[in-house]
Amino acid sequence: KAGVTQTPRYLIKTRGQQVTLSCSPISGHRSVSWYQQTPGQGLQFLFEYFSETQRNKGNFPGRFSGRQFSNSRSEMNVSTLELGDSALYLCASSGTRATTQYFGPGTRLTVL
Amino acid sequence: QKEVEQDPGPLSVPEGAIVSLNCTYSNSAFQYFMWYRQYSRKGPELLMYTYSSGNKEDGRFTAQVDKSSKYISLFIRDSQPSDSATYLCAMSEEGGSNYKLTFGKGTLLTVNP
Repeated sequence: KAGVTQTPRYLIKTRGQQVTLSCSPISGHRSVSWYQQTPGQGLQFLFEYFSETQRNKGNFPGRFSGRQFSNSRSEMNVSTLELGDSALYLCASSGTRATTQYFGPGTRLTVL
Repeated sequence: QKEVEQDPGPLSVPEGAIVSLNCTYSNSAFQYFMWYRQYSRKGPELLMYTYSSGNKEDGRFTAQVDKSSKYISLFIRDSQPSDSATYLCAMSEEGGSNYKLTFGKGTLLTVNP
């Protein structure tokens, strides 16, 4: 069974731009969660989608948004990028058990 | 006070040593407790999870949860160089928000041959 895939793996943007990251979950998984990982703050929860609906949301500004498609693939968007948005963005998918979340390799975003 | 505290290390041990990794937390609503391992430039990989208090063993790994002290541990027996990685504890609440994991910052472990 293929794992969680994320594209692109690396991204360089400048301040003020926007970016879209993509995540394909494990086949059959309907829940997709997004996390931001930085050296200073560690892994922080952004949001979780299930069956195209946002079910949980973390404490991030509205510049961070996401969506999920009918095939469970998910995208997250960051608008008006700031230097502090430089991070590894991780996507995780899970089936019926929230305790078993499988992470992708992440997208490393650098904002210049 | 952060919800989950984890000593970042780094922790360096010789091969074959017993490793003890720990986290403390403040949110008494946490019911699910997980340990992830993250190699450099990779996503976290789930090692073990425990529901509520108690112990769980899987091969060389043992997870312990003490809810009365709000303290969780991961023990690695007979540590191997391949265990060198960052170990992250994670927790979540019961019910609808249990897909939202709260992580510790991770402990960097190096096992020396």
